[in-house]
Amino acid sequence: GEDVEQSLFLSVREGDSSVINCTYTDSSSTYLYWYKQEPGAGLQLLTYIFSNMDMKQDQRLTVLLNKKDKHLSLRIADTQTGDSAIYFCAESNGNDMRFGAGTRLTVKP
Amino acid sequence: NAGVTQTPKFRILKIGQSMTLQCAQDMNHNYMYWYRQDPGMGLKLIYYSVGAGITDKGEVPNGYNVSRSTTEDFPLRLELAAPSQTSVYFCASSRGTGRETQYFGPGTRLLVL
Repeated sequence: GEDVEQSLFLSVREGDSSVINCTYTDSSSTYLYWYKQEPGAGLQLLTYIFSNMDMKQDQRLTVLLNKKDKHLSLRIADTQTGDSAIYFCAESNGNDMRFGAGTRLTVKP
Repeated sequence: NAGVTQTPKFRILKIGQSMTLQCAQDMNHNYMYWYRQDPGMGLKLIYYSVGAGITDKGEVPNGYNVSRSTTEDFPLRLELAAPSQTSVYFCASSRGTGRETQYFGPGTRLLVL
């Protein structure tokens, strides 16, 4: 089946930028998403990008999409301790949605 | 709005027992979903529903059943619990598909011993 892959862990210092990477295999993906999961909570949609875009910026978040390489990244500027969470990449072809395993971001003071 | 609510938060089952995981949403969403999240893995879709009375299988439906008698509720039934069903279960709902946001409940942690 189609896969979504991400590295499992990322650790950064407070104030630095974080970059979380994701690769996917479904060439018919039309929407790509980043979700955030805090401890004991469900997933919360952070941002999404349509497949005909290559960048989307929303305050401290920047999403970059390289459709040719099927690579998606999420950059968090000025990372804060409150950004510590698990970040899930997901893709959809308009019918169903596939999630990566999640990247646990740890922000050290 | 409470959003998507799930009960119970945590449950321990013995092998062969049955239980129903409850999910409710108050956003009048047509689409509802059940996912399971295993350690170190992404979410896998178990079942979904596009409206009251309509359900369909996802990627990993074996060992589960669902029903959708109302727009608000989408319970997930485990008939004969097995250790392989130890997981965290998330219910989600959305207005539609594609770019429509899926709203997630807080999850139910299930342990089958």
